[in-house]
Amino acid sequence: NAGVTQTPKFQVLKTGQSMTLQCAQDMNHEYMSWYRQDPGMGLRLIHYSVGAGITDQGEVPNGYNVSRSTTEDFPLRLLSAAPSQTSVYFCASSYGTENSPLHFGNGTRLTVT
Amino acid sequence: ILNVEQSPQSLHVQEGDSTNFTCSFPSSNFYALHWYRWETAKSPEALFVMTLNGDEKKKGRISATLNTKEGYSYLYIKGSQPEDSATYLCAPRHTDKLIFGTGTRLQVFP
Repeated sequence: NAGVTQTPKFQVLKTGQSMTLQCAQDMNHEYMSWYRQDPGMGLRLIHYSVGAGITDQGEVPNGYNVSRSTTEDFPLRLLSAAPSQTSVYFCASSYGTENSPLHFGNGTRLTVT
Repeated sequence: ILNVEQSPQSLHVQEGDSTNFTCSFPSSNFYALHWYRWETAKSPEALFVMTLNGDEKKKGRISATLNTKEGYSYLYIKGSQPEDSATYLCAPRHTDKLIFGTGTRLQVFP
């Protein structure tokens, strides 16, 4: 039972490089989301999706793109990495109903130099 | 951007003490209130999801209450144990967005 799988676990990028953080879930969850965790700021919502083909912005969407072509996958793209994007990124999913809790992946630690 | 406030920011208690935390949130467009427990080097795990005004949930020594009209929720831990040491996060759901507070960090000393 894999749950929510994030890859990679660690990544170091140079400023200006691009990369994609992968997130996959095998629980048939409609709702998927990306958060970033920074010291003293808790978890901040980047983007979310309520189902395949539908995405929307969260609190801090600038510098990030997402797409949802399948129910299982919700990749997060950094088109031109900046040092301000150094953070720990969490993907989370749920059934999407009002009383559905989020299930979190193990996180990706990203450093941009 | 929703303003979700949690207090206190941190708490140090002795084993056996009971404690409580507060989560305050805007009451408009409210759908549900989530509580999560986040241990160091792990991922957040759901404790409770509450949707109705006056709702109360309990899991072992941990319980929570919800007031949607005034926009707050309390989390209670009875007889704290060292294994309760973690950061406790609340997250109100407004429409489709779950916005997290910055959490209350609890340390329980033996």
